[in-house]
Amino acid sequence: SQTIHQWPATLVQPVGSPLSLECTVEGTSNPNLYWYRQAAGRGLQLLFYSVGIGQISSEVPQNLSASRPQDRQFILSSKKLLLSDSGFYLCAWTLPLALDEQFFGPGTRLTVL
Amino acid sequence: RKEVEQDPGPFNVPEGATVAFNCTYSNSASQSFFWYRQDCRKEPKLLMSVYSSGNEDGRFTAQLNRASQYISLLIRDSKLSDSATYLCVVNMGAGSYQLTFGKGTKLSVIP
Repeated sequence: SQTIHQWPATLVQPVGSPLSLECTVEGTSNPNLYWYRQAAGRGLQLLFYSVGIGQISSEVPQNLSASRPQDRQFILSSKKLLLSDSGFYLCAWTLPLALDEQFFGPGTRLTVL
Repeated sequence: RKEVEQDPGPFNVPEGATVAFNCTYSNSASQSFFWYRQDCRKEPKLLMSVYSSGNEDGRFTAQLNRASQYISLLIRDSKLSDSATYLCVVNMGAGSYQLTFGKGTKLSVIP
Protein backbone atom coordinates (compact mmCIF):
# COMPACT_ATOMS: atom_id res chain seq x y z
CA SER A 1 0.00 0.00 0.00
CA GLN A 2 1.03 3.58 -0.55
CA THR A 3 2.01 5.94 2.24
CA ILE A 4 3.06 9.56 2.30
CA HIS A 5 5.31 11.13 4.90
CA GLN A 6 5.94 14.74 5.76
CA TRP A 7 8.30 16.28 8.23
CA PRO A 8 8.59 18.07 10.44
CA ALA A 9 5.07 18.01 11.87
CA THR A 10 5.38 21.46 13.41
CA LEU A 11 7.90 24.23 12.96
CA VAL A 12 8.39 27.67 14.46
CA GLN A 13 10.78 29.87 12.54
CA PRO A 14 11.82 33.54 12.76
CA VAL A 15 11.16 35.93 9.90
CA GLY A 16 14.02 35.88 7.42
CA SER A 17 15.14 32.35 8.21
CA PRO A 18 15.33 29.58 5.58
CA LEU A 19 12.85 26.73 5.23
CA SER A 20 13.00 23.17 4.03
CA LEU A 21 10.00 20.85 4.21
CA GLU A 22 10.25 17.32 2.94
CA CYS A 23 7.67 14.93 1.56
CA THR A 24 8.22 11.33 0.51
CA VAL A 25 5.87 8.77 -0.95
CA GLU A 26 6.22 5.02 -0.66
CA GLY A 27 4.59 2.21 -2.57
CA THR A 28 4.11 3.85 -5.95
CA SER A 29 6.25 4.99 -8.86
CA ASN A 30 6.25 8.25 -10.78
CA PRO A 31 3.45 9.85 -8.77
CA ASN A 32 2.19 13.36 -9.40
CA LEU A 33 3.20 15.41 -6.37
CA TYR A 34 1.68 18.59 -4.99
CA TRP A 35 2.39 21.21 -2.34
CA TYR A 36 -0.52 23.13 -0.85
CA ARG A 37 -0.78 25.78 1.83
CA GLN A 38 -3.81 26.29 4.03
CA ALA A 39 -3.77 29.56 5.93
CA ALA A 40 -5.98 30.05 8.97
CA GLY A 41 -9.61 30.34 7.90
CA ARG A 42 -8.80 29.91 4.22
CA GLY A 43 -9.00 27.17 1.65
CA LEU A 44 -6.21 25.07 0.23
CA GLN A 45 -3.96 27.01 -2.11
CA LEU A 46 -1.95 25.03 -4.64
CA LEU A 47 1.68 26.16 -4.56
CA PHE A 48 3.54 23.70 -6.79
CA TYR A 49 2.99 20.44 -8.58
CA SER A 50 5.26 17.99 -10.33
CA VAL A 51 4.61 15.21 -12.83
CA GLY A 52 8.18 13.92 -12.83
CA ILE A 53 11.73 14.30 -11.56
CA GLY A 54 12.96 17.85 -12.07
CA GLN A 55 9.59 18.99 -13.45
CA ILE A 56 8.04 21.69 -11.30
CA SER A 57 5.05 23.90 -12.08
CA SER A 58 4.51 26.96 -9.94
CA GLU A 59 1.04 28.27 -9.36
CA VAL A 60 1.60 31.27 -7.14
CA PRO A 61 4.48 33.74 -7.39
CA GLN A 62 6.11 34.00 -3.99
CA ASN A 63 9.31 33.49 -2.06
CA LEU A 64 8.89 29.72 -2.01
CA SER A 65 10.42 27.16 -4.35
CA ALA A 66 10.05 23.43 -4.84
CA SER A 67 12.31 20.67 -6.06
CA ARG A 68 11.93 17.00 -6.90
CA PRO A 69 15.38 15.46 -6.68
CA GLN A 70 14.06 11.89 -6.67
CA ASP A 71 10.96 10.20 -8.04
CA ARG A 72 9.15 10.05 -4.72
CA GLN A 73 10.65 13.04 -2.94
CA PHE A 74 9.27 16.56 -3.03
CA ILE A 75 10.87 19.45 -1.17
CA LEU A 76 9.49 22.89 -0.41
CA SER A 77 12.03 25.60 0.36
CA SER A 78 12.45 29.25 1.09
CA LYS A 79 15.56 31.35 1.47
CA LYS A 80 13.85 33.96 3.67
CA LEU A 81 10.54 33.37 5.39
CA LEU A 82 7.87 36.05 5.67
CA LEU A 83 5.18 36.35 8.32
CA SER A 84 2.63 35.59 5.63
CA ASP A 85 4.25 32.18 5.05
CA SER A 86 2.66 30.87 8.24
CA GLY A 87 0.17 28.12 7.60
CA PHE A 88 -0.50 24.43 7.26
CA TYR A 89 1.60 22.93 4.45
CA LEU A 90 0.27 19.79 2.86
CA CYS A 91 1.92 17.46 0.41
CA ALA A 92 -0.26 15.25 -1.77
CA TRP A 93 0.16 12.61 -4.46
CA THR A 94 -1.89 11.05 -7.21
CA LEU A 95 -1.32 8.12 -9.51
CA PRO A 96 0.81 8.94 -12.56
CA LEU A 97 -0.98 10.92 -15.22
CA ALA A 98 -4.17 10.69 -13.19
CA LEU A 99 -6.88 13.29 -12.80
CA ASP A 100 -8.12 11.38 -9.83
CA GLU A 101 -8.30 11.83 -6.10
CA GLN A 102 -5.32 13.16 -4.22
CA PHE A 103 -3.91 11.59 -1.08
CA PHE A 104 -2.55 13.95 1.51
CA GLY A 105 0.29 13.69 3.96
CA PRO A 106 -0.19 14.64 7.61
CA GLY A 107 1.01 18.20 6.98
CA THR A 108 3.50 20.59 8.56
CA ARG A 109 2.19 23.43 10.68
CA LEU A 110 4.54 26.38 10.19
CA THR A 111 4.50 29.47 12.37
CA VAL A 112 6.70 32.38 11.35
CA LEU A 113 7.36 34.86 14.17
CA ARG B 1 -16.27 34.50 -9.87
CA LYS B 2 -14.58 32.08 -7.50
CA GLU B 3 -13.79 28.73 -9.03
CA VAL B 4 -15.44 26.61 -6.35
CA GLU B 5 -17.96 28.12 -3.98
CA GLN B 6 -19.55 26.44 -1.00
CA ASP B 7 -22.15 27.25 1.61
CA PRO B 8 -20.28 29.36 4.15
CA GLY B 9 -21.62 27.52 7.22
CA PRO B 10 -21.13 26.72 9.99
CA PHE B 11 -23.91 24.17 10.22
CA ASN B 12 -24.87 23.21 13.77
CA VAL B 13 -27.28 20.27 13.73
CA PRO B 14 -28.56 17.80 16.33
CA GLU B 15 -27.68 14.15 16.18
CA GLY B 16 -29.92 12.26 13.78
CA ALA B 17 -30.61 15.26 11.60
CA THR B 18 -30.26 15.36 7.84
CA VAL B 19 -27.99 18.07 6.48
CA ALA B 20 -27.18 19.12 2.92
CA PHE B 21 -24.18 20.99 1.56
CA ASN B 22 -24.10 22.70 -1.79
CA CYS B 23 -21.26 23.67 -4.06
CA THR B 24 -20.99 25.44 -7.42
CA TYR B 25 -18.03 25.43 -9.78
CA SER B 26 -17.14 27.79 -12.58
CA ASN B 27 -15.13 25.63 -15.01
CA SER B 28 -17.52 23.87 -17.37
CA ALA B 29 -14.67 21.65 -18.59
CA SER B 30 -14.23 20.07 -15.14
CA GLN B 31 -14.43 16.30 -15.27
CA SER B 32 -13.80 14.99 -11.76
CA PHE B 33 -15.63 15.93 -8.61
CA PHE B 34 -15.09 14.97 -5.00
CA TRP B 35 -16.09 15.63 -1.45
CA TYR B 36 -13.27 15.61 1.08
CA ARG B 37 -13.52 15.69 4.82
CA GLN B 38 -11.05 17.58 6.98
CA ASP B 39 -10.94 17.19 10.74
CA CYS B 40 -9.58 20.02 12.85
CA ARG B 41 -5.83 20.44 12.33
CA LYS B 42 -5.65 17.32 10.16
CA GLU B 43 -5.13 16.64 6.47
CA PRO B 44 -8.11 16.36 4.09
CA LYS B 45 -9.26 12.85 3.32
CA LEU B 46 -11.45 11.69 0.49
CA LEU B 47 -15.04 11.15 1.55
CA MET B 48 -16.44 10.21 -1.83
CA SER B 49 -16.17 10.85 -5.52
CA VAL B 50 -19.18 12.35 -7.25
CA TYR B 51 -20.50 10.70 -10.39
CA SER B 52 -22.87 12.04 -12.99
CA SER B 53 -25.57 9.57 -12.05
CA GLY B 54 -25.29 10.41 -8.37
CA ASN B 55 -23.90 8.00 -5.83
CA GLU B 56 -24.52 6.85 -2.32
CA ASP B 57 -22.23 5.50 0.38
CA GLY B 58 -24.14 4.55 3.50
CA ARG B 59 -25.55 7.71 5.01
CA PHE B 60 -23.88 9.93 2.42
CA THR B 61 -25.34 10.81 -0.96
CA ALA B 62 -23.60 12.95 -3.57
CA GLN B 63 -25.24 14.50 -6.60
CA LEU B 64 -23.84 16.28 -9.64
CA ASN B 65 -25.70 18.60 -11.99
CA ARG B 66 -23.40 19.41 -14.90
CA ALA B 67 -25.86 21.77 -16.58
CA SER B 68 -26.04 23.96 -13.48
CA GLN B 69 -22.43 23.23 -12.45
CA TYR B 70 -23.66 22.24 -9.04
CA ILE B 71 -22.65 19.52 -6.59
CA SER B 72 -24.35 18.48 -3.39
CA LEU B 73 -23.69 16.26 -0.40
CA LEU B 74 -26.46 14.92 1.79
CA ILE B 75 -25.75 13.39 5.18
CA ARG B 76 -28.56 11.45 6.79
CA ASP B 77 -28.85 10.46 10.45
CA SER B 78 -25.94 12.69 11.48
CA LYS B 79 -23.49 11.30 14.02
CA LEU B 80 -21.25 13.20 16.41
CA SER B 81 -18.32 11.78 14.46
CA ASP B 82 -19.53 13.58 11.31
CA SER B 83 -18.38 16.88 12.83
CA ALA B 84 -15.72 18.19 10.46
CA THR B 85 -15.19 20.56 7.57
CA TYR B 86 -16.40 19.29 4.22
CA LEU B 87 -14.50 20.40 1.14
CA CYS B 88 -15.95 20.46 -2.36
CA VAL B 89 -13.22 19.63 -4.88
CA VAL B 90 -13.22 19.91 -8.66
CA ASN B 91 -10.54 19.21 -11.22
CA MET B 92 -9.46 22.04 -13.50
CA GLY B 93 -10.61 20.44 -16.72
CA ALA B 94 -9.49 18.21 -19.53
CA GLY B 95 -5.82 17.29 -19.29
CA SER B 96 -5.32 19.11 -16.01
CA TYR B 97 -3.59 17.46 -13.06
CA GLN B 98 -4.83 20.10 -10.70
CA LEU B 99 -7.71 20.09 -8.26
CA THR B 100 -9.43 23.21 -6.99
CA PHE B 101 -10.68 23.12 -3.43
CA GLY B 102 -13.56 25.06 -1.99
CA LYS B 103 -13.01 26.77 1.33
CA GLY B 104 -15.13 24.19 3.06
CA THR B 105 -18.26 24.08 5.16
CA LYS B 106 -17.93 23.36 8.84
CA LEU B 107 -20.39 20.93 10.35
CA SER B 108 -20.93 20.52 14.08
CA VAL B 109 -23.23 17.72 15.18
CA ILE B 110 -24.57 18.43 18.64
CA PRO B 111 -25.66 15.76 21.16
